[in-house]
Order: sequence, then C-alpha cells, then structure tokens
Amino acid sequence: AQSVTQPDIHITVSEGASLELRCNYSYGATPYLFWYVQSPGQGLQLLLKYFSGDTLVQGIKGFEAEFKRSQSSFNLRKPSVHWSDAAEYFCAVLSGSARQLTFGSGTQLTVLP
Amino acid sequence: DAGVIQSPRHEVTEMGQEVTLRCKPISGHDYLFWYRQTMMRGLELLIYFNNNVPIDDSGMPEDRFSAKMPNASFSTLKIQPSEPRDSAVYFCASRISGSSYNEQFFGPGTRLTVL
Repeated sequence: AQSVTQPDIHITVSEGASLELRCNYSYGATPYLFWYVQSPGQGLQLLLKYFSGDTLVQGIKGFEAEFKRSQSSFNLRKPSVHWSDAAEYFCAVLSGSARQLTFGSGTQLTVLP
Repeated sequence: DAGVIQSPRHEVTEMGQEVTLRCKPISGHDYLFWYRQTMMRGLELLIYFNNNVPIDDSGMPEDRFSAKMPNASFSTLKIQPSEPRDSAVYFCASRISGSSYNEQFFGPGTRLTVL
C-alpha cells in the first residue's frame, strides 16, 4: 500500500534560517506527491505538487521541493524562513482508484524570532 | 469561486447527541472526500463520493457514522450517537476528474467537541 513517512514530528528554526522538511514515500510506480500547509485553526493549503518532469518543483510562499526517486524522498525546502511560516506541514501521495490522498503524520514547524 | 464551504466551523455537543456536519464542494467538482484529523491518528480518509455516489466508506470508523450526498452541491456527515472520542476536526475536500493534477481543495474544517 502507498504510504508517506514524515520522520520529524517537530522542527524549530530561527527566522531567516534555511528549512528542510523530510518526506519519504512508498509507492510502486511514479508517485504524485504533494505538500500541504495547515496554519493553526485553518484548513489545508496546497504548497506544491509533483507529477512528472522536472524533479525540482516550485511552490507558493517561496517553498520548493525536490523529488529523488533513488531515495524515495520529496523533501520540502525554503532558503529563508519567515515567522509566518510557523504551521504544520503535511506530505501526501495520491493513491487508489479515486486518487485519494494518503497523508503523512505531519511536521510541526516553530519559528524563533 | 468561494472554495469548499463547511458548516458549522465549530460544534460542541454532549455525548449521545446527533451531530451533522455539512459541506458544499466547489461547483463542477465531481469528487468529494471527508477526512478526520486527530492527534492520535493524523489525517485519515473517511469516505468519498463520485458523482454523488459513495464509492469507498472503508474509512468510516463505525456504524454511528453515516454520510450522504443528495446532490452535486451538498454533502453531510452524521454521527449518531456522538461519543467523546469523535472529537476531531473534520475536513471536506473536492476535486474534478479528468484533470492531470488531481488536486484536492480543502474546506476550513469543522472542529467537533463531544463532551
């Protein structure tokens, strides 16, 4: 079965520092991968997605992610974190006949001033 | 477009009461998904519909949960009777088939507290 693992439950970075959130997937074929962000009390907002082609994808809010098939990874990065980036981040993979999303457990990001 | 609309945003009820959560998908979207988010289990898919027909309800935790989609613009998730362990945030999402992106759009969620 398709699955997504986010090994870091909680990450703390200082404002202005770089950020990398890890995501590993388990999928037989080429996966369709997503990163969502959830601010406190809010719904999920799509940051970026990967389907095929260029393995480095750009998203909103200055985020990017790199698909690495050899490592089964799709890590999210941002060169300089802003205080407003504090939120929970979810990696997800499309699976099943209806292309439903299977989510990782999430990574909570804290940004220090 | 207004996006996916969910109501109520917050619901507090007592154990044993019936709870109904509502969702209006994005117009033209033919898939609708209900998810539940808890600290213990994270985000999990409960049920999804295609063209108003329930396709897979294997994620529904038990018979106390039921979902309907009487038309393309409205769906409900009902819990009867509710229990404290049902406390969670319930999200509705929709998407359109035939798109290469298969992107799901999420509503703001309903935070349910069962006392």
